[in-house]
Amino acid sequence: GNSVTQMEGPVTLSEEAFLTINCTYTATGYPSLFWYVQYPGEGLQLLLKATKADDKGSNKGFEATYRKETTSFHLEKGSVQVSDSAVYFCALGALRGTDKLIFGTGTRLQVFP
Amino acid sequence: SQTIHQWPATLVQPVGSPLSLECTVEGTSNPNLYWYRQAAGRGLQLLFYSVGIGQISSEVPQNLSASRPQDRQFILSSKKLLLSDSGFYLCAWSPDRGGTIYFGEGSWLTVV
Repeated sequence: GNSVTQMEGPVTLSEEAFLTINCTYTATGYPSLFWYVQYPGEGLQLLLKATKADDKGSNKGFEATYRKETTSFHLEKGSVQVSDSAVYFCALGALRGTDKLIFGTGTRLQVFP
Repeated sequence: SQTIHQWPATLVQPVGSPLSLECTVEGTSNPNLYWYRQAAGRGLQLLFYSVGIGQISSEVPQNLSASRPQDRQFILSSKKLLLSDSGFYLCAWSPDRGGTIYFGEGSWLTVV
């Protein structure tokens, strides 16, 4: 079935370090791909998305490219800040028009000054 | 602009007691509505999905139920809570023609 696999956390980085959080998916057809972020004590916020192969989603310095050949949507940021500390969820959606999202288990990022 | 609100934000309930979490969406009509649960240390699981008033799809068998009495209102309920119902519950909506899903602030439920 359709699924999303993302790297386990926590990921611990120093401020200004480079970030990569891996995400791969299994799906039939051409789903949309999303990254959501959950700051401590809050709900989920959409961070970025891509709707077709080779699309690059970007927001707040984060970016991810929809790679159909490797079925991946890795999240990257060149220089993380303490305020980026949160849980990041990769998600697969819009299969057959249902809008249902399938989430990965989330990756906790901790950034220290 | 569209907004989504859910309440209460935090709830502590004894085992066997009833539950009612409410969610409302403003600024849009005929949205798709969702209830997700995030259990401790686990990812997000879709519980219920609704495309219109009175139309509810259950994704997993469980002790919970959902209702949509009005176009922009979505309610999550239980008659008798179990310890395993503890978790973080998120209401969400998307436009009726599809697209991005937007989440509410979440409700923390602890069953004791």
